[in-house]
Amino acid sequence: QLQLQESGPGLVKPSETLSLTCTVSGGSITSSSYYWGWIRQPPGKGLEWIGTIYYSGSTYYNPSLKSRVTISVDTSKNQFSLKLTSVTAADTAVYYCARSYGGNPNWFDPWGQGTLVTVSS
Amino acid sequence: EIVMTQSPVTLSVSPGERATLSCRASQSVSSNLAWYQQKPGQAPRLLIYGASTRATGIPARFSGSGSGTEFTLTISSLQSEDFAVYYCQQYNNWPLTFGGGTKVEIK
Repeated sequence: QLQLQESGPGLVKPSETLSLTCTVSGGSITSSSYYWGWIRQPPGKGLEWIGTIYYSGSTYYNPSLKSRVTISVDTSKNQFSLKLTSVTAADTAVYYCARSYGGNPNWFDPWGQGTLVTVSS
Repeated sequence: EIVMTQSPVTLSVSPGERATLSCRASQSVSSNLAWYQQKPGQAPRLLIYGASTRATGIPARFSGSGSGTEFTLTISSLQSEDFAVYYCQQYNNWPLTFGGGTKVEIK
């Protein structure tokens, strides 16, 4: 059974870089059938797609965040990562990683449990 | 960007009753529409993809319909575990976008 687990600092200072890692277990991140994504949810609000990556390194980003986002993959560790630069309080959210089906835009299943990142000095 | 609009924002339903949730896209997304359920403190769970295909392990009381710009999620007989927030997501185009959610609460 595939499982995803987010990890990283729960508190980041304004203007600094948010860095999170998603560890995939129970399956290979290099499977040709799947892509891997990041989604976030501010407290009490809805879901926002951040970006999606294929194990080869191909990426798709939300234009609203593209200038600040980098998603990368480490196949040796079966992990993929998110970096978000110049964070503000508006970036405070629960960050989820999830698997996506296929190369075209697609749905997400399953999701990690999520990790709360608070931006505050 | 395709804007997804869900209605109503809150739906009050008694256990055993039918719930009908709506999702509208600002332009056609064909049948490239997914529904998720989210309970407090939990990650979203995929219910439906392809507008009408139930994900693995999803009970038959959940059904999805629609295509183009208008979609519906129906819960035929609400169980206690179904009270949650439901989100739709289009995957016809980048960027992927979600609706604002419908909270199904106990009446």
